[in-house]
Amino acid sequence: EAQVTQNPRYLITVTGKKLTVTCSQNMNHEYMSWYRQDPGLGLRQIYYSMNVEVTDKGDVPEGYKVSRKEKRNFPLILESPSPNQTSLYFCASSLSGRPADEQYFGPGTRLTVT
Amino acid sequence: AQKVTQAQTEISVVEKEDVTLDCVYETRDTTYYLFWYKQPPSGELVFLIRRNSFDEQNEISGRYSWNFQKSTSSFNFTITASQVVDSAVYFCALRGFGNEKLTFGTGTRLTIIP
Repeated sequence: EAQVTQNPRYLITVTGKKLTVTCSQNMNHEYMSWYRQDPGLGLRQIYYSMNVEVTDKGDVPEGYKVSRKEKRNFPLILESPSPNQTSLYFCASSLSGRPADEQYFGPGTRLTVT
Repeated sequence: AQKVTQAQTEISVVEKEDVTLDCVYETRDTTYYLFWYKQPPSGELVFLIRRNSFDEQNEISGRYSWNFQKSTSSFNFTITASQVVDSAVYFCALRGFGNEKLTFGTGTRLTIIP
């Protein structure tokens, strides 16, 4: 089944403790992206990747890192999480970076930083 | 810069009523793509429709219809004969041809009252 998977789905952590949220897609998509969803703000893009080893900042990249060493994986790294990073995170992928491409979303990861 | 405005934060209607969700966008690109996504209470994001800037034909899919008006920069979504299963948060999104980012509106929470 074609899908985007994220792990973990739920995470509660403490300020400053490094964490990684994994994202994997099995559709051989070139484009991958991370978003965060906050009440009243909709979805905002954190980072995106047009292909392997190519990443770029979205609208809210501060406090996050990403890497794209393999086509299928695009982990989101929080080196020193803070409470303002408590949010619902979505990973997405699309066939290419073309604007017309539909993005397929993972199930979401709900992160709480205390 | 591109921007999507969904002025209706929350809407409640009684089942079987028709409801229209508004989406107004801003972009400097002459070629762009507009999307609608649905987020049911379970949390996943479901793609509903894509429309490019050169295709101003309205689209109908069952009880759903979309009205794209370039003159007013709007891409509104109408649900006819609403059902409880339509209860969700709906997001409008925009991506310009020269832009690698997908920009979302803040979403409209639709509640269908049985």
